[in-house]
Amino acid sequence: EPEVTQTPSHQVTQMGQEVILRCVPISNHLYFYWYRQILGQKVEFLVSFYNNEISEKSEIFDDQFSVERPDGSNFTLKIRSTKLEDSAMYFCASSDEQVSYEQYFGPGTRLTVT
Amino acid sequence: GNSVTQMEGPVTLSEEAFLTINCTYTATGYPSLFWYVQYPGEGLQLLLKATKADDKGSNKGFEATYRKETTSFHLEKGSVQVSDSAVYFCALSKTGRRALTFGSGTRLQVQP
Repeated sequence: EPEVTQTPSHQVTQMGQEVILRCVPISNHLYFYWYRQILGQKVEFLVSFYNNEISEKSEIFDDQFSVERPDGSNFTLKIRSTKLEDSAMYFCASSDEQVSYEQYFGPGTRLTVT
Repeated sequence: GNSVTQMEGPVTLSEEAFLTINCTYTATGYPSLFWYVQYPGEGLQLLLKATKADDKGSNKGFEATYRKETTSFHLEKGSVQVSDSAVYFCALSKTGRRALTFGSGTRLQVQP
């Protein structure tokens, strides 16, 4: 069964450093998403991406964050200058345009900022 | 704004017990409602959904009914198994939008 994959599973970085989280969505999907879950808190929507542009974003997704689909398979989330409060589990998801709203999630990348 | 409230866990049940996990929501219009499940070490998986009032979503013995009058979408299963142990998330998406708003998750532990 097709699945969303994410790398790395765990990333440790120092405050102020840039990180790139990588995702490979399901191959025929057209919508891509990033969510995050700070430990002990809710899963929060960050951004959705369609047709090579951002289609929705939350207030969390500020200028520190950017997304990119650099090739036909990868979808990345970049955090330019990490802060301690960026420590969280980051989930990538994708969905098929034909099956509305059913999002398939990856296993997540745990980001630890020290 | 939109929000989802779930009962706090963990919920601990014996095998074959009846399960209810409460979920209520706040949203304008007619959101779509979802239950997602997360097994240890895995991503969130869609368990079931309902897109309009009085719809019943069902999958793998789990059911939830979209109740507009009580703004609820409670998850039920008649007989739980050890393999159902996981974290369950209630979520909604606004009409015409794809961003999901999640509840805080409820951990279910089923003992043999």
